[in-house]
Amino acid sequence: GPKVLQIPSHQIIDMGQMVTLNCDPVSNHLYFYWYKQILGQQMEFLVNFYNGKVMEKSKLFKDQFSVERPDGSYFTLKIQPTALEDSAVYFCASSSGLSAETLYFGSGTRLTVL
Amino acid sequence: AQSVDQPDAHVTLSEGASLELRCSYSYSAAPYLFWYVQYPGQSLQFLLKYITGDTVVKGTKGFEAEFRKSNSSFNLKKSPAHWSDSAKYFCALFIASSSFSKLVFGQGTSLSVVP
Repeated sequence: GPKVLQIPSHQIIDMGQMVTLNCDPVSNHLYFYWYKQILGQQMEFLVNFYNGKVMEKSKLFKDQFSVERPDGSYFTLKIQPTALEDSAVYFCASSSGLSAETLYFGSGTRLTVL
Repeated sequence: AQSVDQPDAHVTLSEGASLELRCSYSYSAAPYLFWYVQYPGQSLQFLLKYITGDTVVKGTKGFEAEFRKSNSSFNLKKSPAHWSDSAKYFCALFIASSSFSKLVFGQGTSLSVVP
């Protein structure tokens, strides 16, 4: 099936540092998402992004979080500064439309904040 | 409010048995429902979805799910189960408006199929 690529697969940083998680979505997809999963638990919605804008975000999407996709390159999630509670696996997803289109997920980036 | 509940955190069954993983939802509009599977250390893989029409939907890997509006459920089924089905399964509700969409996931059910 369609592939979503995430780089890096693991990232370890010190609390307070900035981190950028990269996602290469499916090539013809227009809608992009970030989800957070702690310790293999529930997948928690963070943000939905379309046409250069955040369309919807959850309360987990703190002020320290930002997303962008400059010039059709990687879709990125930036956390600045990081906190201990940001340690989790972050999954990127993309879809082609809004009407119950299937979301395709990347393999995740495991972020460890020390 | 919209939510998804998977009441069984863990299910263990023997290879060859029938499996049924429970999922219920709460949503005021017509639901679009999904099942995903997550193998250890991997991402979520799409199994199947219900949009409208036939209430029994078939997906990949021999799975099917039945939508029951009467009790707001969308249970996942497979018979017989195989040891390779051991994984975590997530039920999800698709929420959309004119400007955004998202999947709301249940807590997940960890399935262990033993020889």
